[in-house]
Amino acid sequence: EVQLLESGGGLVQPGGSLSLSCSASGFTFSSYAMSWVRQAPGKGLEWVSSISVGGGPTYYADSVKGRFTISRDNSKNTLYLQMNSLRAEDTAVYYCAKDSRAPFTSGWYKEYWGQGTLVSVSP
Amino acid sequence: QSVLTQPPSVSAAPGQKVTISCSGSSSNIGNNYVSWYQQLPGTAPKLLIYENNKRPSGIPDRFSGSRSATSATLGITGLQTGDEADYFCGTWDSSLSAYVFGSGTKVTVL
Repeated sequence: EVQLLESGGGLVQPGGSLSLSCSASGFTFSSYAMSWVRQAPGKGLEWVSSISVGGGPTYYADSVKGRFTISRDNSKNTLYLQMNSLRAEDTAVYYCAKDSRAPFTSGWYKEYWGQGTLVSVSP
Repeated sequence: QSVLTQPPSVSAAPGQKVTISCSGSSSNIGNNYVSWYQQLPGTAPKLLIYENNKRPSGIPDRFSGSRSATSATLGITGLQTGDEADYFCGTWDSSLSAYVFGSGTKVTVL
């Protein structure tokens, strides 16, 4: 059974930093691309970032480019999201997702989702 | 504003059918597979349909998907109270170099 468990969310002040983790199990983590998707309170889904199987290349939404960094440790079956220069509009539940295949290839979709971790950016 | 347009809400009585549209463009739906995700209240999204019309294991055949030109449609037949949820379409956009989601549609069972 595929399991994705996010952690690291919390309350942070504007301009601050936070690091999210996603622990994966139930599949061969090193063989799949992974993504982060967020959902602001009461809003829709927004793709944040994706990473290929070996750690590169990486891809980002324009809204987070230059501020967020996605990475992975295949030896620990863990996905990360380092978030810097946080803004109020980054407040959201952040979901880790297992991708079906490499980003921006035919048939790329979010196959499994974690339960999410809440990030709140407020003074 | 979402690149993919969905109606905010649809509703029907138990046992009836609803359809949810997802309208895009040639840079997304027109040239890439569409997926659909179901988000039950207070839970994480779950994959419902992939590659336009395929169902993952465990998804009942009451759920169906189709794509035509730059639009996609999710159909739910035999509507049940447990189907009350938000539904999102998704695909990737070659012009934006981004994975994009629809604005979401809330399904209400009357």
